Amino acid sequence: DGGITQSPKYLFRKEGQNVTLSCEQNLNHDAMYWYRQDPGQGLRLIYYSQIVNDFQKGDIAEGYSVSREKKESFPLTVTSAQKNPTAFYLCASSSGTGGSYEQYFGPGTRLTVT
Amino acid sequence: AQSVTQLGSHVSVSEGALVLLRCNYSSSVPPYLFWYVQYPNQGLQLLLKYTSAATLVKGINGFEAEFKKSETSFHLTKPSAHMSDAAEYFCAVSDRETGGFKTIFGAGTRLFVKA
Repeated sequence: DGGITQSPKYLFRKEGQNVTLSCEQNLNHDAMYWYRQDPGQGLRLIYYSQIVNDFQKGDIAEGYSVSREKKESFPLTVTSAQKNPTAFYLCASSSGTGGSYEQYFGPGTRLTVT
Repeated sequence: AQSVTQLGSHVSVSEGALVLLRCNYSSSVPPYLFWYVQYPNQGLQLLLKYTSAATLVKGINGFEAEFKKSETSFHLTKPSAHMSDAAEYFCAVSDRETGGFKTIFGAGTRLFVKA
């Protein structure tokens, strides 16, 4: 089955530690995205990548970093500089970046930092 | 600049009743519009999308939405609610200028279905 996998489902970290969230897709999509979801705020774009070895900041990139070394993988690192990292993180992909392309989402990772 | 407003953070209906979830958008160019559904602790799934082919768009699970340019609206409806429709619904907009990576999501509307 084609789709997007995110691991782990739940992640717990202590304040001051960096943590990396995994996102893998086997849909052969060029574009991939990371969103943060907080209650009542919808989805906010952290980073996106249109092609391998290229990525751009979204609306809330501060305190996060990404890499895109392979087409199927787009890991997100939440660094200790992110002031409020506890949230639900969603990875998505699309076959193109024209406006009509819908996004396919992974199941999400819930990160709790204490 | 694009924006999306979903009217009502929570909507409650009885099983078998009409579902109406409201979405208004703002875009300086013709938009692409989407409705996604999210079940608890899961990712989003596309319900339907408008890409200018037809103003009335039919989606999965019996949902449909109508694009009304004069009202800048894209409301989601379903004639008869089922218990399994209880979820959170997101309206989203992108446009031909900025491309899909500038998809803007609304804050979401949580649908409750009463037996």
